[in-house]
Amino acid sequence: DQQVKQNSPSLSVQEGRISILNCDYTNSMFDYFLWYKKYPAEGPTFLISISSIKDKNEDGRFTVFLNKSAKHLSLHIVPSQPGDSAVYFCAASERASGSRLTFGEGTQLTVNP
Amino acid sequence: DVKVTQSSRYLVKRTGEKVFLECVQDMDHENMFWYRQDPGLGLRLIYFSYDVKMKEKGDIPEGYSVSREKKERFSLILESASTNQTSMYLCASSLQGGKTKTQYFGPGTRLLVL
Repeated sequence: DQQVKQNSPSLSVQEGRISILNCDYTNSMFDYFLWYKKYPAEGPTFLISISSIKDKNEDGRFTVFLNKSAKHLSLHIVPSQPGDSAVYFCAASERASGSRLTFGEGTQLTVNP
Repeated sequence: DVKVTQSSRYLVKRTGEKVFLECVQDMDHENMFWYRQDPGLGLRLIYFSYDVKMKEKGDIPEGYSVSREKKERFSLILESASTNQTSMYLCASSLQGGKTKTQYFGPGTRLLVL
């Protein structure tokens, strides 16, 4: 039972344009969401997070949007750069599970020069 | 700067061998985790530990065990390696009761079981 789903295995965008990565979840008890970026042969690195009390969080070129009613979150990268090419994972947590995270399948983003 | 290290970047083992994967963190984190990453399946939690000598099963614990004798070290053990355990193994750590739930990952160990 996949509680966190990233339905697009891959996404390709042009440098300078917006990248939008999507994530859906089924567990209504999730109250904290994170995005991680992973380069090949490296571990995932934390990118940005959002609590369920907010609907938007921004950090430089990265913005995460949360739509609780739709159980959907998205990561916007503007402007996209070739160095952003990586696999992006969304993750979710519920208060009852403590520090445990549930990850999606990942989306491979390719930013073309 | 936070640091999680894993003992090997690449390992090749034979079916039936006992395999030890070691993870060390220098951030004094209480929580430590072991995941495996497979294409199209994302990161799946194998085991985690929220304190020394404590362990909890994750989503896919079968065929694995863990050991946490010291706060900074968390070991993953494959008692009898099988080919379906060929994967990328990732260790992570996090603070207990932190304001955020950010986990910090090591570089990963790519294990090939022949």
